[in-house]
Amino acid sequence: DQQVKQNSPSLSVQEGRISILNCDYTNSMFDYFLWYKKYPAEGPTFLISISSIKDKNEDGRFTVFLNKSAKHLSLHIVPSQPGDSAVYFCAASAYAGNMLTFGGGTRLMVKP
Amino acid sequence: EAGVTQFPSHSVIEKGQTVTLRCDPISGHDNLYWYRRVMGKEIKFLLHFVKESKQDESGMPNNRFLAERTGGTYSTLKVQPAELEDSGVYFCASSQTFISGNTIYFGEGSWLTVV
Repeated sequence: DQQVKQNSPSLSVQEGRISILNCDYTNSMFDYFLWYKKYPAEGPTFLISISSIKDKNEDGRFTVFLNKSAKHLSLHIVPSQPGDSAVYFCAASAYAGNMLTFGGGTRLMVKP
Repeated sequence: EAGVTQFPSHSVIEKGQTVTLRCDPISGHDNLYWYRRVMGKEIKFLLHFVKESKQDESGMPNNRFLAERTGGTYSTLKVQPAELEDSGVYFCASSQTFISGNTIYFGEGSWLTVV
């Protein structure tokens, strides 16, 4: 049973527009959420994170929103750039430690 | 500062053979993790070391997998004997502290193909 789900396997966006990647989780013990970006043949690269005590965290073009009641988080990228094309993984961890539970990933394609 | 490094980057072995993957964490990181991604599925946790001790090995699939971290520095993950379903990417990661919210940094992965 997948505790973290990314229901959209792929997303295509025009350069300059907003990209919205979504993630749902089921485990109410998760208290920290991270987004990783992954290029082919490379490891996941940390992008941005959010603690459960917040509902929004922003870092440049990247903003993560957390809706605890809905057990849903989203990553907004604006404006999207061709270099953002990659697979984005949502991950969650519980208070007890650092074990990450990953979603299946969403492949983002930003078209010039 | 060097990141998490893994060796080999690619390995092709026959079913029944043994493969040993190595991970060097970021210097000063006590926490070392192994994850793997098989068949394009989600990345799954295997185990977690704090220094040389196994903190959590709940994700290890079976006793064909053996992880060690002698001296609390680098770690090895041995698969013996390898099976076809072991094919995938094995990621190592490290972090400084053992608290939720600490950023975990990943290596580039070791691609294992069992034929």
